[in-house]
Amino acid sequence: DAGVIQSPRHEVTEMGQEVTLRCKPISGHNSLFWYRQTMMRGLELLIYFNNNVPIDDSGMPEDRFSAKMPNASFSTLKIQPSEPRDSAVYFCASSSNWSEGWQYFGPGTRLTVT
Amino acid sequence: AQSVTQLGSHVSVSEGALVLLRCNYSSSVPPYLFWYVQYPNQGLQLLLKYTSAATLVKGINGFEAEFKKSETSFHLTKPSAHMSDAAEYFCAVSDGTGGYNKLIFGAGTRLAVHP
Repeated sequence: DAGVIQSPRHEVTEMGQEVTLRCKPISGHNSLFWYRQTMMRGLELLIYFNNNVPIDDSGMPEDRFSAKMPNASFSTLKIQPSEPRDSAVYFCASSSNWSEGWQYFGPGTRLTVT
Repeated sequence: AQSVTQLGSHVSVSEGALVLLRCNYSSSVPPYLFWYVQYPNQGLQLLLKYTSAATLVKGINGFEAEFKKSETSFHLTKPSAHMSDAAEYFCAVSDGTGGYNKLIFGAGTRLAVHP
């Protein structure tokens, strides 16, 4: 298996622009998680899905952030409009085991908003 | 509610020395516990996990961790540090609710290994 795939790996954009981050989970996994990592705040869980349904989006910082999972093999995290403080590494992770909780992480997308 | 505390945001050891990274947890249910490692510019990689089987868990790269319920601890150890072990290490506990695999992560410990 190719693991969790994220694209793009790097994104540089100007403030006010829309940014879309993409994630393909491991085939057969039924849970998907979006995290954000910064030096100041560490690793934060933004939202997670189970069977394509959002379960908890309490970590989404503002209405500028939205996430979708239209099918079991694809998810997006969108920021509109983007701001410099959104600069971070965004990770997607997936999981298949309901009782043990371990997650597989993608390589991340490094977002820079200027 | 579940929580994780990692003691020491930075740990520095000499090559060949013992590595000890501390993790204490709080959980209202029997916990599942994890250690992840993050190398520079990479995602998190599962190092080892405790899921109610043997209390001494062996992971990749010579690491191991011992679950101690009485101390609510899950410290990570390696007998002899290697330069390639320099990375950030995260302890995590399963949320324990609803079977959705949510993890609660500690703040991380950055391990430096010097010659």
